[in-house]
Amino acid sequence: AQKVTQAQTEISVVEKEDVTLDCVYETRDTTYYLFWYKQPPSGELVFLIRRNSFDEQNEISGRYSWNFQKSTSSFNFTITASQVVDSAVYFCALSEEIGSARQLTFGSGTQLTVLP
Amino acid sequence: DVKVTQSSRYLVKRTGEKVFLECVQDMDHENMFWYRQDPGLGLRLIYFSYDVKMKEKGDIPEGYSVSREKKERFSLILESASTNQTSMYLCASSPLEGMNTEAFFGQGTRLTVV
Repeated sequence: AQKVTQAQTEISVVEKEDVTLDCVYETRDTTYYLFWYKQPPSGELVFLIRRNSFDEQNEISGRYSWNFQKSTSSFNFTITASQVVDSAVYFCALSEEIGSARQLTFGSGTQLTVLP
Repeated sequence: DVKVTQSSRYLVKRTGEKVFLECVQDMDHENMFWYRQDPGLGLRLIYFSYDVKMKEKGDIPEGYSVSREKKERFSLILESASTNQTSMYLCASSPLEGMNTEAFFGQGTRLTVV
């Protein structure tokens, strides 16, 4: 079973619209971490946010906000007033303990295109 | 700043060749990871390592092996390259407290097997 599901393969919005990227995860761990990464056209993955399983507070950073809900195993990402520079592939990831190691698993990504 | 360096940005190899992809990090991180990225499939974990000489299989280890002889270096080996291993390969590292600290990525190696 897929551990991190990003059901939206591609999203296209017009500049200044708000957009929400969905992420649903699956884990048996009680302690785990969730991440969002951005991959612009240049290709290098850029870390955006980390959230641990004990902290369900929503977070806002400028135009970005994240909604973590353990009850629905979701960690959604909203961009307010989108800009063309937000165009990228966005990945959600889950870090959980596997034996004595910690595995980092990514979703399949959402390609966001912001049109001028 | 954390730096993860992959030895090649682009690589072209022939079917059946043995291929080495090298990754070096300079922040004394315990965890290192190898992923491949394909369109529509996201990043899929091949192998990871949490210590020197220690390795764990990821989701798609078939056709690959790894080597971690030194803490800073994590090598991905394709014993006999095949065309279905044409892909973008990404290396990442994170501290041992990898659950509460983000992973840092290299710039990627685009491998083409012909």
